Amino acid sequence: NAGVMQNPRHLVRRRGQEARLRCSPMKGHSHVYWYRQLPEEGLKFMVYLQKENIIDESGMPKERFSAEFPKEGPSILRIQQVVRGDSAAYFCASSPRGQGEGYTFGSGTRLTVV
Amino acid sequence: KQEVTQIPAALSVPEGENLVLNCSFTDSAIYNLQWFRQDPGKGLTSLLLIQSSQREQTSGRLNASLDKSSGRSTLYIAASQPGDSATYLCAWPKAAGNKLTFGGGTRVLVKP
Repeated sequence: NAGVMQNPRHLVRRRGQEARLRCSPMKGHSHVYWYRQLPEEGLKFMVYLQKENIIDESGMPKERFSAEFPKEGPSILRIQQVVRGDSAAYFCASSPRGQGEGYTFGSGTRLTVV
Repeated sequence: KQEVTQIPAALSVPEGENLVLNCSFTDSAIYNLQWFRQDPGKGLTSLLLIQSSQREQTSGRLNASLDKSSGRSTLYIAASQPGDSATYLCAWPKAAGNKLTFGGGTRVLVKP
């Protein structure tokens, strides 16, 4: 079991470009969560997805950010027209369905906007 | 609004001393509680998971307790080592599958 896989580990984008962050959950996990950690700040929830469904996107900025978890393939967090304030570490976590086994986090993608 | 407080925010101790990290929450409707460790520039590593029906969990030098009535969880690390230096975070969902709410973390430095 390879755990939660995130790629890329580091991503540099110029202002105005698009950033695509990928997350493959642990085998057997059907719940995926994205969190953002700004420099010197705590982890903030962004979005919670199950296969093909967005369950809770209350933490997502209203513009430029979107997420999906297709039937096949990894979950994608997409940031359009990036700005310097988007520079942060983005973490993905997964959990099994309703089994109370806790959450497993990936190593994160560190986005730097220049 | 559910609030989470971790005290202290930072802690510096000499090697060998026991560590006591506190996590308090205002809403007792938690499903379980999880303690994580985060090293600088790294992801989160799960340390202990306590179900809401449990009072404590132990793993090696780590022990975590949960008191829902007082809204507190405490992480004990016995005989600290320099390798224990990291930020420790508590977090929980309100129900199975729900998003996690995180505390602000306690930054620990164990000096050799």
